Amino acid sequence: NAGVMQNPRHLVRRRGQEARLRCSPMKGHSHVYWYRQLPEEGLKFMVYLQKENIIDESGMPKERFSAEFPKEGPSILRIQQVVRGDSAAYFCASSPDTKDGYTFGSGTRLTVV
Amino acid sequence: GDSVTQMEGPVTLSEEAFLTINCTYTATGYPSLFWYVQYPGEGLQLLLKATKADDKGSNKGFEATYRKETTSFHLEKGSVQVSDSAVYFCALSEAGRRALTFGSGTRLQVQP
Repeated sequence: NAGVMQNPRHLVRRRGQEARLRCSPMKGHSHVYWYRQLPEEGLKFMVYLQKENIIDESGMPKERFSAEFPKEGPSILRIQQVVRGDSAAYFCASSPDTKDGYTFGSGTRLTVV
Repeated sequence: GDSVTQMEGPVTLSEEAFLTINCTYTATGYPSLFWYVQYPGEGLQLLLKATKADDKGSNKGFEATYRKETTSFHLEKGSVQVSDSAVYFCALSEAGRRALTFGSGTRLQVQP
């Protein structure tokens, strides 16, 4: 039973490029969450999605960031026109319908050069 | 808004020493409380949780008690091992919300 799968593990982008981060939830999990971890800091909530719906995006920056969780396929976190300050580890988590049982992926480490 | 405050690290202990990592929180309602552990290069793993006042979460020798009167959820272990070296995060989730609010993490280093 594979866990939460994130890819790529490492991503390097030049300033102004787009970054696409993918997250495949655990089998049977229909809820996906994205968090960002800056160096030496805790994780900050970004967005919570169910299939085809954004439920809570209170932590998403207003510009350049978007997320989706289509009916088929992985959840995607998209960052347009990346800047150096976007360099961070981005973690995805998933859960079943019950609130308990958050499972995190191993993260995507984005470096903007 | 909600917030979680943890003691700053690193915490350096010798093997078999007693561990306490302090965690206090601010929340408007009655949150659920969690401890997560992060090993180098990996994602977070749920260590233990408590969902109401006076609940004690426990796992792998670690314990934490939900203290509503002091708004605290301190992590303890009676005898640490080198393999416990990691970063520990305290977190909460408000009733009705699935988002977690994390503390800044405490790095634990256990020396043989």
